[in-house]
Amino acid sequence: DAKTTQPTSMDCAEGRAANLPCNHSTISGNEYVYWYRQIHSQGPQYIIHGLKNNETNEMASLIITEDRKSSTLILPHATLRDTAVYYCIVRVANTGNQFYFGTGTSLTVIP
Amino acid sequence: KAGVTQTPRYLIKTRGQQVTLSCSPISGHRSVSWYQQTPGQGLQFLFEYFSETQRNKGNFPGRFSGRQFSNSRSEMNVSTLELGDSALYLCASSLLDWETEAFFGQGTRLTVV
Repeated sequence: DAKTTQPTSMDCAEGRAANLPCNHSTISGNEYVYWYRQIHSQGPQYIIHGLKNNETNEMASLIITEDRKSSTLILPHATLRDTAVYYCIVRVANTGNQFYFGTGTSLTVIP
Repeated sequence: KAGVTQTPRYLIKTRGQQVTLSCSPISGHRSVSWYQQTPGQGLQFLFEYFSETQRNKGNFPGRFSGRQFSNSRSEMNVSTLELGDSALYLCASSLLDWETEAFFGQGTRLTVV
């Protein structure tokens, strides 16, 4: 079962930073936070994941609060191609390749 | 390198029939998992295979089954198809079984009529 809560939808102006929040108040110490996105009719695409430290890669940054009960995915300069459904997932490492997706946030980047 | 390949991309079947979907993972990946995506239920985990063994299973009826071959390729079978089985079926592969990202294929769109 999904253990995360995300807003249903968000808009962001093209070129601005998109900040997507996620609540995971019941997260356990050995659970990681993963972010995926799905562009219409395509398979989900991995974005980033982290345990407790903030993470950054070429696509995005992940900010995890100190108590680990929430996190924010930051797309620094949103483009129209970032319009997608973004999923925040928590899962335990070492339990296999299974992800429980919630309903996600539908991000629309506006020109 | 090649990504996750799913075949066929589209399929139309009649109620009561059975169907087999195929997934070729990224070379070297040993874990393959399957998901069903419908507008009503979203993305739901079906099962996962690692080194030819089913390791995890989601909450789906026994009509849904799968297997993995020694080359890590996987097949998923659905018997006695129902209209509600119409969905996008996605396969994902990963290199190891922990703390790594999963790479998804484009999916197979199954329509049951």
